[in-house]
Amino acid sequence: ETGVTQTPRHLVMGMTNKKSLKCEQHLGHNAMYWYKQSAKKPLELMFVYNFKEQTENNSVPSRFSPECPNSSHLFLHLHTLQPEDSALYLCASSQGQGVKPQHFGDGTRLSIL
Amino acid sequence: GENVEQHPSTLSVQEGDSAVIKCTYSDSASNYFPWYKQELGKRPQLIIDIRSNVGEKKDQRIAVTLNKTAKHFSLHITETQPEDSAVYFCAANTNSNTGKLIFGQGTTLQVKP
Repeated sequence: ETGVTQTPRHLVMGMTNKKSLKCEQHLGHNAMYWYKQSAKKPLELMFVYNFKEQTENNSVPSRFSPECPNSSHLFLHLHTLQPEDSALYLCASSQGQGVKPQHFGDGTRLSIL
Repeated sequence: GENVEQHPSTLSVQEGDSAVIKCTYSDSASNYFPWYKQELGKRPQLIIDIRSNVGEKKDQRIAVTLNKTAKHFSLHITETQPEDSAVYFCAANTNSNTGKLIFGQGTTLQVKP
């Protein structure tokens, strides 16, 4: 299944680097999500976009900056990250917001040195 | 704040036995409850979901029950197979407008052949 594609799959960066994560969905959905998955913690919602507009920011630090240029693409720009930001970052999409099934990508495994 | 509690954290069953995972939620406005299966190194995959207007839903060997009064819902897997081994996550929505999901902590299911 390649409905939601994330790149890169793995990323190692220093705390002073700037990098971006990319998500693309081929399902014709119009809502997209960023989640953080850390070891021994539940999946945490970070951001929600619907028709390119941000509708949810779950108190995420400003060192994470999302961008949604259209309904098919979602980016997460990273700068000045901390070691505790090391995690699996998952993108998801759904056909509309609300009570709609969310479909996940394979994630980007991020390691901060 | 809103939260979802999931139990047990680990579950080991013999092949052919049934497995039950339970979740409780705190937001009485929640009306959508998906279950995800995540195999090691793979994306979370939606296996079944239920909306608050029904009390039970079944799909082959998988069933979910919902008790709105008690604010808990459960996943039932019958005739378990080794390929059912994975981490299972429950979730509940907290904002019908944005699709925000709160996830449980996950249950690691091991099915022994």
